[in-house]
Amino acid sequence: ILNVEQSPQSLHVQEGDSTNFTCSFPSSNFYALHWYRWETAKSPEALFVMTLNGDEKKKGRISATLNTKEGYSYLYIKGSQPEDSATYLCAFMKLEEYGNKLVFGAGTILRVKS
Amino acid sequence: DSGVTQTPKHLITATGQRVTLRCSPRSGDLSVYWYQQSLDQGLQFLIQYYNGEERAKGNILERFSAQQFPDLHSELNLSSLELGDSALYFCASSLFGLGSTDTQYFGPGTRLTVL
Repeated sequence: ILNVEQSPQSLHVQEGDSTNFTCSFPSSNFYALHWYRWETAKSPEALFVMTLNGDEKKKGRISATLNTKEGYSYLYIKGSQPEDSATYLCAFMKLEEYGNKLVFGAGTILRVKS
Repeated sequence: DSGVTQTPKHLITATGQRVTLRCSPRSGDLSVYWYQQSLDQGLQFLIQYYNGEERAKGNILERFSAQQFPDLHSELNLSSLELGDSALYFCASSLFGLGSTDTQYFGPGTRLTVL
């Protein structure tokens, strides 16, 4: 069974705090790892697509790293702001014979208090 | 705004009925994906179409079917609806999606309630 696990399930931080979450995935047949940001009442928005072991990607105050050998990715938010409050989803894409599908984790809910 | 449109936004229907959800991908995108978000589950991949042909299949029930038309819009048909089919259904699109690492752009979703 293919499992993508995210931790923590939820996080409450103060404005200005830096935070990070973890996404764990099976390391075999790895193809890609996607991070999405999902605000309440909106649709998931792509943050990063990562493919190579050791990849590091950055978008403003948000960055992500990837370790395909041990099967984990970290998402970092530097200096959290209230507008960062959202659910952060990771999704694992496995190389398969028939099509390649994204398997999503349950997400980490981030709440940033001002 | 991702550029992906879905209609209707909300749908309320009864058990046993059939509904059709519609999705228009971003201009130029060839792949369309359907996902289901139930109350107690994460986003579940249902099916992908690329340029009119089925490309990948997830845990899609036999009561559900989809197609992608020549103008690249897609429809998801749900029949013999059950209470458990109540969920948020998302459509996403990407430029290619042929096992590549395309970014997927999600539409606003259709909220289906089965009474």
